[in-house]
This record gives sequence, structure tokens and C-alpha cells, in this order.
Amino acid sequence: SYVLTQPPSVSVAPGQTARITCGGNNIGSKNVNWYQQKPGQAPVVVVSADSDRPSGIPERFSGSNSGNTATLTISRVEGGDEADYYCQVWDRGRDQYVFGSGTTVSVL
Amino acid sequence: QVQLVESGGGVVRPGRSLRLSCAASGFTFSSYAMHWVRQAPGKSLDWVALTSYDGSEKFYADSVKGRFAISRDNSKNTLYLQMSSLRRDDTAVYYCVRVDCTITNCLFDYWGQGTLVTVSS
Repeated sequence: SYVLTQPPSVSVAPGQTARITCGGNNIGSKNVNWYQQKPGQAPVVVVSADSDRPSGIPERFSGSNSGNTATLTISRVEGGDEADYYCQVWDRGRDQYVFGSGTTVSVL
Repeated sequence: QVQLVESGGGVVRPGRSLRLSCAASGFTFSSYAMHWVRQAPGKSLDWVALTSYDGSEKFYADSVKGRFAISRDNSKNTLYLQMSSLRRDDTAVYYCVRVDCTITNCLFDYWGQGTLVTVSS
């Protein structure tokens, strides 16, 4: 089955940039979605189809995807960005819906 | 606005059964495939099952195949998950999720608040 690998945690100072990676075999050939989950809440889409931002999501959130790595970038990090972040792809060939292992973003 | 409200979770003994429900509103329920996704305590998200928009197609994760059954009633805008032969490793928050698919992408765009299922003796 297709596996998505994320770093367990990322720490960043307020105002700085956080980069969260999502590794997968030739992930650049797939569309990657990113979800933010705060404690006790359901996940929320922050980036879809590699780099699209849903309405209501700040421009500080952006995404890219190439080769074997997709990246979610959070610019000018704020305390409210502290959360778990998950990448997700649809492995069309196997018809599997795969989530990454998740990354906890901590704001120092 | 889109709303998905799960119910039916609780504490159940290993080997027993439980049925979850998800009431949908704010969109044309019968036009969308619907999924269940679960999250064990402190763990990542884990896809469980899906039903097509009309209920004619159903797919399951290997971990629940033969034990769980997904269904829907479009006249009631409600999604179900019948869980049987429950095991301790089925303990998780279960989310009802609307999924919007294109040719190249399936986006889990709206999630319910989740319902906790605890399998324990």
C-alpha cells in the first residue's frame, strides 16, 4: 500500500516560517491535500490539490509538490497555527485513500 | 451550510456490535459519495469505508472488511456504519466525511465532529 511519511513535529518561533514535508513514492504525480486538526476538533482543509487554498484559509498557508516530496508552508506563523497537520492523497491505481502520519506544529 | 452530525458511539465489549449514524444537511446528500474515517487516540487518520452516492458501490479498508458494513438512506439524508465483531483496536473517534472527487483528486472536504467508540471489557 502507498505510504506517506511526515516528520512527527516541527517547532517554529512566531513570525517565522514553518515547512511540513510529506514524503511518498513519486508523490509529485498525485494531488496532495492538507488538513489542520486542533485538539478535540475535526480536521479542516487548508490546502487542496497541491496548492489551492479554500475560501477562508489565510494566504499564509501554501503548498507545493514535486518528485517524492510535498510541502505545506505556513508563513508568518501565529500561535493559532498550533495544531496537527496531515497530508492525504488518493492512490487512484489501487483506489486507496491514504493519510500521512501527521506533524505537530508547536509555536515557541 | 454543510453539517454532518454523528451519533451512536459508546462503550462496547469486544465481540459485540454497534451502529453509527450520521445526519447530513446543507447539501444535496444524494449527490455525494460518503466515507467513514477513524482516529485512534493519539494516532493519525485512518480511512474505513465509503459508499457511492446511490449506495450501489461500497468499499472497505482491509482492517474492517467482513466486520463493518456501510449504508445510506438518501430519503433520510443519513449515513450508517454497522460495526460487528468489534476488537479493542477498533477503539477510535469515527468521523463521517463528505468527499468530493475529480478525475485526479479526492478531497475530504467536510467532516462531522466525530463520535467516540471504545471497545473494552
